[in-house]
Parts: sequence; C-alpha cells; structure tokens
Amino acid sequence: DTAVSQTPKYLVTQMGNDKSIKCEQNLGHDTMYWYKQDSKKFLKIMFSYNNKELIINETVPNRFSPKSPDKAHLNLHINSLELGDSAVYFCASSQGARNTIYFGEGSWLTVV
Amino acid sequence: TQLLEQSPQFLSIQEGENLTVYCNSSSVFSSLQWYRQEPGEGPVLLVTVVTGGEVKKLKRLTFQFGDARKDSSLHITAAQPGDTGLYLCAGPGGAAGNKLTFGGGTRVLVKP
Repeated sequence: DTAVSQTPKYLVTQMGNDKSIKCEQNLGHDTMYWYKQDSKKFLKIMFSYNNKELIINETVPNRFSPKSPDKAHLNLHINSLELGDSAVYFCASSQGARNTIYFGEGSWLTVV
Repeated sequence: TQLLEQSPQFLSIQEGENLTVYCNSSSVFSSLQWYRQEPGEGPVLLVTVVTGGEVKKLKRLTFQFGDARKDSSLHITAAQPGDTGLYLCAGPGGAAGNKLTFGGGTRVLVKP
C-alpha cells in the first residue's frame, strides 16, 4: 500500500480552468503538507495542516485553497489556473511537525 | 529566513568515482536532513544529523554536520548508477521550527 497517495499524477489543463488534486495518507499521521517543486527543482512548502487545522500558509495566491476533511486527507483546489502554476505538487505527511516527512509521488500539473 | 545553498547544482561522474555534495547556510540549524529524489518520485529521507560534528554512514554514503551546525556534506564512495538522483538538504525553519526548508538540490548523474 502506498503510504501517501495523490491523484491525479499527471494533469494538463488550460489557463483559466479550476482543478483539484487529492491526497490521502494511511500512516496515521496528524500533519499533512502541500509542497510545490518548480522547473528548477526548488521545493517549497505551501500549506501545512495539523489535525485538520491550517498551521502554515505561505505566501501563496488565494487561488490555491487547501481543504482537509479529516486527518488522513488534504486536497488542493486551484482556481483560475495560470501558466506559472505549472509545477509538480507534492503532498506529504508526518507525525507532528518535527518528525520525518513522507512524500507522495507528486502531481505533474501543466497549464497550457 | 533561513536559506540553504547546495553545491554543485549538477554533477556528472563515472561509475566507481567518489563525489561530495555540499549544503551551506549562514544560519544555525538544530538539525539537517538529506533526501534523495529519483525521477518521477517524491523525496525520500536518507538521514537526519542533529549534533555539530556528527558523522553518519549509510553504506557508501557518509553524511557530516558541521561543528557550527551551519553546513553539511554528503560524500558517496564508489558511486553506482543507482545513486543517480536529486539530493536535497533540508532544515527546520520558521519561528516555531515546524517548516522544513529545502536547499536548491544537487542533481547527480552516475554513468555506467
């Protein structure tokens, strides 16, 4: 079983569309994250949730809205997609904020 | 903001050669982590170093944390094609230390 799974793995969409990426972890962790990796492979945190509550919200356009229906799920909805949103989005989880972070396989988003 | 700079950005070597990757900061970190990311996958934790001057070995990989806890290095002995990947260092950041900050990564290619 995949510990942190996210869908879809690949997504190609047009500018202006709204899309969602879903993430689920079966590790029993209480903290989940969304990271963005740009074309230069720079990995940067976007959001962090602990027990369904938002604890980290980096400087991210408000077109990005995370939602955590329960501890095991953290979805990312993106409105009005722009070309610059093209990147790989990684979901991750950990038990507490200072312990090992486990990453999903990534969702490759291409906006055309 | 605590920044981590990695060097070199890219390294191409022949199988059997040794290599060293560096991670430097002007800030002190309570700990540093090293991740390896293979193409199409998410980063996977290799090691965490927490004590200044600490040296950890993982088979052919040797990790060192600087005495002042501002830098770290990863040395691979007798590199193999399976060592190919993106090596990322990361450290806890943010006021609460609950935000993992990544370096820009070093892309390693080991040719057979």
